[in-house]
Amino acid sequence: EAQVTQNPRYLITVTGKKLTVTCSQNMNHEYMSWYRQDPGLGLRQIYYSMNVEVTDKGDVPEGYKVSRKEKRNFPLILESPSPNQTSLYFCASSLSASYYGYTFGSGTRLTVV
Amino acid sequence: GEDVEQSLFLSVREGDSSVINCTYTDSSSTYLYWYKQEPGAGLQLLTYIFSNMDMKQDQRLTVLLNKKDKHLSLRIADTQTGDSAIYFCAGRGNQFYFGTGTSLTVIP
Repeated sequence: EAQVTQNPRYLITVTGKKLTVTCSQNMNHEYMSWYRQDPGLGLRQIYYSMNVEVTDKGDVPEGYKVSRKEKRNFPLILESPSPNQTSLYFCASSLSASYYGYTFGSGTRLTVV
Repeated sequence: GEDVEQSLFLSVREGDSSVINCTYTDSSSTYLYWYKQEPGAGLQLLTYIFSNMDMKQDQRLTVLLNKKDKHLSLRIADTQTGDSAIYFCAGRGNQFYFGTGTSLTVIP
């Protein structure tokens, strides 16, 4: 089944403890992206990747890192999480940057205390 | 980023039509989209419209695009309880950009 898989689905952590949210797609998509969803703010893009080893900042990149060493994987790294990074995170992928559709993962609900 | 505005909430009675509206600022999008997010799930592409079209119909869904006013709407005919979800308007300039989402509640 074609899908984007995120792990974990739920995570509670403490301020300052490094964490990684994994994202993997099995559709050979070139383009991948991370979003955070907050009430009343919709989805805001954190980082995106046009292809392997090509990443760029979205609208809200502060406090996050990403890497794209393989086509299928696009992990989101929080080196020192803070409570304002408590949010619902989505990974998404697309055939290419210009392709019309996105496939979304099921989301990761992160709470930083 | 681009500015996409939607009303936050909409309630309709089962069987009525729902109309969800969206206004956007970026006129360069080739496609405009509607995504649906059910509770606890990611976003799913519902439908999309090419920027040179005024209307697109797909079963119970009708998308209207007014490029002059930069206004996009989604009409759901014969709304069912299973249509309760958050609906996001989205466009694609250099990147995808999403609206704030409209939470649709269908009252039985």
